[in-house]
Amino acid sequence: DTGVSQNPRHKITKRGQNVTFRCDPISEHNRLYWYRQTLGQGPEFLTYFQNEAQLEKSRLLSDRFSAERPKGSFSTLEIQRTEQGDSAMYLCASSGGTGEGNEQYFGPGTRLTVT
Amino acid sequence: AQTVTQSQPEMSVQEAETVTLSCTYDTSESDYYLFWYKQPPSRQMILVIRQEAYKQQNATENRFSVNFQKAAKSFSLKISDSQLGDAAMYFCAYLLSGNTPLVFGKGTRLSVIA
Repeated sequence: DTGVSQNPRHKITKRGQNVTFRCDPISEHNRLYWYRQTLGQGPEFLTYFQNEAQLEKSRLLSDRFSAERPKGSFSTLEIQRTEQGDSAMYLCASSGGTGEGNEQYFGPGTRLTVT
Repeated sequence: AQTVTQSQPEMSVQEAETVTLSCTYDTSESDYYLFWYKQPPSRQMILVIRQEAYKQQNATENRFSVNFQKAAKSFSLKISDSQLGDAAMYFCAYLLSGNTPLVFGKGTRLSVIA
Protein backbone atom coordinates (compact mmCIF):
# COMPACT_ATOMS: atom_id res chain seq x y z
CA ASP A 1 0.00 0.00 0.00
CA THR A 2 1.67 3.23 -1.13
CA GLY A 3 0.22 6.08 0.86
CA VAL A 4 1.18 9.73 0.71
CA SER A 5 4.92 10.21 1.21
CA GLN A 6 6.84 13.35 2.08
CA ASN A 7 10.54 14.16 2.02
CA PRO A 8 12.48 15.12 3.94
CA ARG A 9 10.84 14.21 7.23
CA HIS A 10 12.88 16.77 9.12
CA LYS A 11 14.69 19.89 7.97
CA ILE A 12 16.80 22.25 10.06
CA THR A 13 17.89 25.42 8.31
CA LYS A 14 19.30 28.79 9.15
CA ARG A 15 17.23 31.91 8.78
CA GLY A 16 17.47 33.33 5.30
CA GLN A 17 18.09 30.01 3.55
CA ASN A 18 15.78 28.47 0.97
CA VAL A 19 14.17 25.08 1.54
CA THR A 20 12.16 22.74 -0.69
CA PHE A 21 9.85 19.94 0.36
CA ARG A 22 8.46 17.16 -1.78
CA CYS A 23 5.12 15.33 -1.61
CA ASP A 24 4.21 12.19 -3.53
CA PRO A 25 0.44 11.62 -3.39
CA ILE A 26 -1.43 8.36 -3.72
CA SER A 27 -0.95 7.53 -7.39
CA GLU A 28 -4.53 7.74 -8.63
CA HIS A 29 -5.43 10.89 -6.67
CA ASN A 30 -5.83 14.02 -8.76
CA ARG A 31 -6.16 16.48 -5.88
CA LEU A 32 -3.25 17.51 -3.68
CA TYR A 33 -3.26 19.86 -0.69
CA TRP A 34 -0.59 21.53 1.43
CA TYR A 35 -1.28 22.44 5.06
CA ARG A 36 0.84 23.93 7.83
CA GLN A 37 0.52 22.86 11.44
CA THR A 38 2.09 24.67 14.39
CA LEU A 39 2.39 23.23 17.87
CA GLY A 40 -0.94 22.79 19.60
CA GLN A 41 -2.97 23.85 16.58
CA GLY A 42 -4.93 22.15 13.85
CA PRO A 43 -3.61 22.16 10.29
CA GLU A 44 -4.15 25.34 8.28
CA PHE A 45 -4.64 25.30 4.53
CA LEU A 46 -1.88 26.68 2.32
CA THR A 47 -2.63 25.70 -1.27
CA TYR A 48 -4.44 23.15 -3.44
CA PHE A 49 -3.84 21.50 -6.84
CA GLN A 50 -6.16 19.63 -9.14
CA ASN A 51 -3.90 17.73 -11.48
CA GLU A 52 -1.18 20.26 -12.41
CA ALA A 53 -3.33 23.35 -11.87
CA GLN A 54 -2.94 25.34 -8.67
CA LEU A 55 -6.55 26.30 -7.97
CA GLU A 56 -6.45 28.01 -4.60
CA LYS A 57 -3.94 29.71 -2.35
CA SER A 58 -4.42 30.81 1.23
CA ARG A 59 -3.53 34.26 2.51
CA LEU A 60 -1.01 32.38 4.66
CA LEU A 61 1.00 31.70 1.51
CA SER A 62 3.22 34.77 1.35
CA ASP A 63 5.33 35.73 -1.65
CA ARG A 64 8.19 33.72 -0.18
CA PHE A 65 6.23 30.50 -0.66
CA SER A 66 5.77 28.79 -4.00
CA ALA A 67 4.30 25.43 -4.88
CA GLU A 68 4.30 23.40 -8.06
CA ARG A 69 2.87 20.15 -9.29
CA PRO A 70 4.45 19.45 -12.66
CA LYS A 71 2.65 16.81 -14.72
CA GLY A 72 0.06 16.42 -12.00
CA SER A 73 2.08 13.91 -10.02
CA PHE A 74 4.38 14.90 -7.15
CA SER A 75 4.38 18.40 -5.72
CA THR A 76 7.07 20.65 -4.28
CA LEU A 77 6.72 23.46 -1.76
CA GLU A 78 9.56 25.98 -1.65
CA ILE A 79 10.12 28.59 1.02
CA GLN A 80 12.58 31.33 0.17
CA ARG A 81 14.45 33.44 2.73
CA THR A 82 13.13 31.39 5.64
CA GLU A 83 12.11 33.13 8.86
CA GLN A 84 11.81 31.71 12.37
CA GLY A 85 8.04 32.02 12.07
CA ASP A 86 8.13 29.45 9.26
CA SER A 87 9.03 26.74 11.78
CA ALA A 88 6.15 24.27 11.63
CA MET A 89 5.04 20.88 10.37
CA TYR A 90 4.18 20.99 6.66
CA LEU A 91 1.56 18.40 5.76
CA CYS A 92 0.56 17.13 2.35
CA ALA A 93 -2.72 15.38 1.62
CA SER A 94 -4.31 13.88 -1.48
CA SER A 95 -7.79 12.84 -2.53
CA GLY A 96 -9.91 12.04 -5.55
CA GLY A 97 -9.41 8.40 -6.31
CA THR A 98 -11.95 6.53 -8.42
CA GLY A 99 -14.83 5.34 -6.28
CA GLU A 100 -13.61 7.22 -3.26
CA GLY A 101 -15.38 9.95 -1.38
CA ASN A 102 -13.90 13.32 -0.57
CA GLU A 103 -11.73 12.24 2.30
CA GLN A 104 -8.15 13.44 2.26
CA TYR A 105 -5.25 11.14 3.11
CA PHE A 106 -2.27 12.69 4.82
CA GLY A 107 1.44 12.10 4.59
CA PRO A 108 3.75 11.99 7.62
CA GLY A 109 4.72 15.64 7.23
CA THR A 110 7.98 17.56 7.03
CA ARG A 111 9.01 19.25 10.24
CA LEU A 112 10.87 22.49 9.54
CA THR A 113 13.00 24.18 12.17
CA VAL A 114 14.45 27.59 11.32
CA THR A 115 17.29 28.65 13.61
CA ALA B 1 -16.20 31.56 6.33
CA GLN B 2 -16.64 28.17 7.90
CA THR B 3 -15.22 27.61 11.37
CA VAL B 4 -14.79 24.54 13.54
CA THR B 5 -14.65 24.71 17.33
CA GLN B 6 -13.42 22.03 19.68
CA SER B 7 -14.06 23.27 23.20
CA GLN B 8 -12.15 20.55 25.06
CA PRO B 9 -8.37 21.04 24.76
CA GLU B 10 -7.73 17.89 26.81
CA MET B 11 -9.73 14.85 27.85
CA SER B 12 -8.88 11.66 29.67
CA VAL B 13 -10.61 8.29 29.90
CA GLN B 14 -10.03 5.04 31.75
CA GLU B 15 -9.13 2.06 29.61
CA ALA B 16 -12.28 0.16 28.52
CA GLU B 17 -14.53 3.14 29.29
CA THR B 18 -16.38 5.43 26.89
CA VAL B 19 -15.49 9.03 26.08
CA THR B 20 -17.16 11.68 23.95
CA LEU B 21 -15.29 14.47 22.19
CA SER B 22 -17.24 17.59 21.22
CA CYS B 23 -17.18 19.60 18.01
CA THR B 24 -19.32 22.42 16.72
CA TYR B 25 -19.06 24.17 13.39
CA ASP B 26 -20.46 27.15 11.61
CA THR B 27 -21.62 27.11 8.00
CA SER B 28 -24.40 28.50 5.87
CA GLU B 29 -24.22 25.55 3.48
CA SER B 30 -26.62 22.61 3.50
CA ASP B 31 -24.40 19.99 1.86
CA TYR B 32 -20.99 19.31 3.32
CA TYR B 33 -18.88 16.63 4.96
CA LEU B 34 -17.53 16.24 8.46
CA PHE B 35 -14.56 14.18 9.59
CA TRP B 36 -12.70 13.13 12.69
CA TYR B 37 -8.95 12.64 12.27
CA LYS B 38 -6.56 11.07 14.79
CA GLN B 39 -2.94 12.22 15.12
CA PRO B 40 -0.86 10.04 17.49
CA PRO B 41 2.28 11.62 18.96
CA SER B 42 4.90 12.10 16.24
CA ARG B 43 2.85 10.08 13.78
CA GLN B 44 0.79 10.96 10.79
CA MET B 45 -2.84 11.98 10.73
CA ILE B 46 -5.30 9.22 9.95
CA LEU B 47 -9.00 9.35 9.17
CA VAL B 48 -11.23 7.93 11.89
CA ILE B 49 -14.73 8.51 10.60
CA ARG B 50 -16.69 10.60 8.09
CA GLN B 51 -20.25 11.90 7.89
CA GLU B 52 -22.12 13.32 4.91
CA ALA B 53 -24.48 16.11 5.96
CA TYR B 54 -27.31 14.82 3.79
CA LYS B 55 -27.37 11.52 5.69
CA GLN B 56 -29.49 11.46 8.81
CA GLN B 57 -27.99 8.22 10.06
CA ASN B 58 -24.98 8.64 12.31
CA ALA B 59 -21.77 7.07 11.01
CA THR B 60 -20.17 4.18 12.88
CA GLU B 61 -16.75 2.55 12.48
CA ASN B 62 -16.18 -0.27 14.95
CA ARG B 63 -15.66 1.38 18.37
CA PHE B 64 -16.04 4.89 16.94
CA SER B 65 -19.39 6.55 16.35
CA VAL B 66 -20.65 10.08 15.87
CA ASN B 67 -23.65 12.04 17.04
CA PHE B 68 -24.44 14.38 14.16
CA GLN B 69 -26.96 17.10 14.98
CA LYS B 70 -27.30 19.15 11.80
CA ALA B 71 -29.64 21.81 13.16
CA ALA B 72 -27.40 22.38 16.16
CA LYS B 73 -24.27 22.17 13.97
CA SER B 74 -22.78 19.67 16.34
CA PHE B 75 -20.64 16.64 15.49
CA SER B 76 -19.37 14.71 18.51
CA LEU B 77 -17.20 11.58 18.48
CA LYS B 78 -17.83 8.70 20.86
CA ILE B 79 -15.08 6.19 21.50
CA SER B 80 -16.29 3.01 23.19
CA ASP B 81 -14.12 0.47 25.02
CA SER B 82 -11.17 2.88 24.98
CA GLN B 83 -7.76 1.37 24.37
CA LEU B 84 -4.27 2.66 25.14
CA GLY B 85 -3.69 3.06 21.41
CA ASP B 86 -6.52 5.58 21.23
CA ALA B 87 -4.33 8.16 22.98
CA ALA B 88 -3.76 10.93 20.45
CA MET B 89 -4.82 14.38 19.27
CA TYR B 90 -8.24 14.26 17.68
CA PHE B 91 -9.21 16.86 15.11
CA CYS B 92 -12.69 17.62 13.87
CA ALA B 93 -12.74 18.87 10.28
CA TYR B 94 -15.27 20.37 7.86
CA LEU B 95 -15.24 19.98 4.08
CA LEU B 96 -17.59 21.81 1.76
CA SER B 97 -16.81 19.74 -1.33
CA GLY B 98 -14.08 17.70 -2.98
CA ASN B 99 -12.62 20.85 -4.48
CA THR B 100 -12.16 22.74 -1.23
CA PRO B 101 -9.68 22.40 1.64
CA LEU B 102 -10.45 20.95 5.03
CA VAL B 103 -11.14 23.38 7.87
CA PHE B 104 -9.85 21.98 11.16
CA GLY B 105 -10.60 22.63 14.79
CA LYS B 106 -7.75 23.14 17.26
CA GLY B 107 -7.92 19.57 18.44
CA THR B 108 -8.55 17.63 21.64
CA ARG B 109 -5.72 15.74 23.28
CA LEU B 110 -7.05 12.41 24.57
CA SER B 111 -5.20 10.50 27.27
CA VAL B 112 -6.09 6.90 28.09
CA ILE B 113 -5.38 5.78 31.63
CA ALA B 114 -4.52 2.13 32.23
